[in-house]
Amino acid sequence: AQSVTQLDSHVSVSEGTPVLLRCNYSSSYSPSLFWYVQHPNKGLQLLLKYTSAATLVKGINGFEAEFKKSETSFHLTKPSAHMSDAAEYFCVVTDPISNFGNEKLTFGTGTRLTIIP
Amino acid sequence: NAGVTQTPKFRVLKTGQSMTLLCAQDMNHEYMYWYRQDPGMGLRLIHYSVGEGTTAKGEVPDGYNVSRLKKQNFLLGLESAAPSQTSVYFCASRRQVRSQPQHFGDGTRLSIL
Repeated sequence: AQSVTQLDSHVSVSEGTPVLLRCNYSSSYSPSLFWYVQHPNKGLQLLLKYTSAATLVKGINGFEAEFKKSETSFHLTKPSAHMSDAAEYFCVVTDPISNFGNEKLTFGTGTRLTIIP
Repeated sequence: NAGVTQTPKFRVLKTGQSMTLLCAQDMNHEYMYWYRQDPGMGLRLIHYSVGEGTTAKGEVPDGYNVSRLKKQNFLLGLESAAPSQTSVYFCASRRQVRSQPQHFGDGTRLSIL
């Protein structure tokens, strides 16, 4: 069975300071991992994905994440927060669930990021 | 360049009423999904489809039915709405290639009174 734990339900940072959103996972297979962002009243938008290539993954809007197998972590970072980064962030892990090659997504419960002016 | 479009965006129902949520995608994706999002619970998979004419149950399928008569459309039905089905519903689609990300619609906010 697979699972995802987002260690903080709410993170507040000042504009211009670094952002760290933490995610730990468990998986029986070689997982793929994603970070999605959700702005108010919007759907989920893909920030970045890890699929067993480079362990440091760069995404959109200056975000990046590092896959650490030994720590089963996939933390999301950004060097300098912007007001537009205020949103909810979801860490997601995939595992195969059928012979069709379809993959089950398991979502974390989300981290709400607040940016202080 | 619409991507995934969900209709309606908002709806209020009375207990026992029925309704259908429509999802349409214009990316020629094979796989489509319906999720519900509830506070503090992330997204939970209701049903999914791996191709036209096929559907399968997800994590929380009870009280819902789906149909995929055309490749681009995935319908979610509530036959007899219950207050526990008050939620935000998201549709997603993706290509039939391993580890491809899912593309999401903007959601349908459904309240059952």
